[in-house]
This record gives sequence, C-alpha cells and structure tokens, in this order.
Amino acid sequence: EIVLTQSPGTLSLSPGERATLSCRASQSVSNNYLAWYQQKPGQAPRLLIYGASSRATGIPDRFSGSGSGTDFTLTISRLEPEDFAVYSCQQYDRSPYTFGQGTKLEIK
Amino acid sequence: EVQLVESGGGLVKPGGSLRLSCAASGFIFSSYSMNWVRQAPGKGLEWVSSMTGSSGYIYYADSVKGRFTISRDNAKNSVNLQMNNLRAEDTAVYYCARGGSTHDYWGQGTLVTVSS
Repeated sequence: EIVLTQSPGTLSLSPGERATLSCRASQSVSNNYLAWYQQKPGQAPRLLIYGASSRATGIPDRFSGSGSGTDFTLTISRLEPEDFAVYSCQQYDRSPYTFGQGTKLEIK
Repeated sequence: EVQLVESGGGLVKPGGSLRLSCAASGFIFSSYSMNWVRQAPGKGLEWVSSMTGSSGYIYYADSVKGRFTISRDNAKNSVNLQMNNLRAEDTAVYYCARGGSTHDYWGQGTLVTVSS
C-alpha cells in the first residue's frame, strides 16, 4: 500500500502568515490522485483539494495545492483564525486509499 | 442539502458485534459509491470499506477483511457496516463518507468502543 508521510507533525504560526504543509508518498501517485482534508476538533473532515491542485466547492482561494509524483504541498497563503486545524492528505490512486497521519496547524 | 447521519455506535465487548447505519439524503444515492472511514482516538483517518453505487464492487481494508461487511439499500438511501469479532483496536469514530475516490461529504461520525 502507498504510505503517506506528512510533515511537520505540528506547525505553529500566527494569523496572517503563510503555511506550507508537506505530504510525501512511498510510491508515485499517478494522475495526481491526491486530496487534502481539514478537520477541526469534534468535526468530520472537510474536503479542501482534489487532484493535487483543484479546490473543492466553496473552498477559499487562499488554499492551494501543488506537487506530483511523490511530493505534494498544501499552502495557505494568509492564515485566518478559522484555518487552525488538522490537515490530512489522502491518495486515491491505488487501493487501499490511504491517508497521511495529519499535520496539526496551531496558533503561535 | 446533502446529509449523512450515522447511527449504531456504542460500547461492545471484545468478540462482540455491532451494526452501523448511515442515512443519506439530498442527492441521488444510487449514483455514488459510499465509504466507511474510521479514526481511532488521537490518530489519523483510516479507510475501512467502500461499495459502489450499483453494489457491484465492494472493498475492504486488510485490517477488517473477514470481520466487517458493508451493504447498502438504494431504496432506503442507506449504507450499513456489520462489524463482527470486534477487537480493542477497532475502537474509533466511524464516519460515513460519499464518493468513490475523494470524499466530498461526511457524516458527523458514530463512536464505537470495544472494551471489556
């Protein structure tokens, strides 16, 4: 199975700053079948990005995804207070569709 | 409005069984694959099982194969997860999620605790 490793485990930033989150795959993810989810405490995950770089419906344009092959990045251009959460990547290239362990974005 | 509402979670002893249900509304249910994804306390997300809209294809994670069974009733807009021979490591919040690849809608989750 494809193992996804996210880094850093925790990222401490202030509102207004830029956040860069990494997701590395143990094997190449074909067709950029890589998604990003946001999850706040006590809530279900929310789809942010699919196809590595396409924003899901209703997602603000401060969220952007990039990358290909084995290295993918989620960037939040200017952090808003509501952006502090856990972010997880998921590959849907090959079954089982695995998730990364998550990056916690916390307020500095 | 798309809604997914899970039910059926609870406390069960190791070796016991539970049946989770997910009631869907707001979309053409039979057109979508449905999934169960779980999250153990303090851990990341783990895909558990998927079923295509026509019920033609079913998939399971190795960790649950042979113990869990997914089913759906397109007439009732529901998807179920029968969980047998439960283990402590099955303790998690179980989410129902729509979509065969990415999951664009999720339920609020139902907690399953396996403990003696």
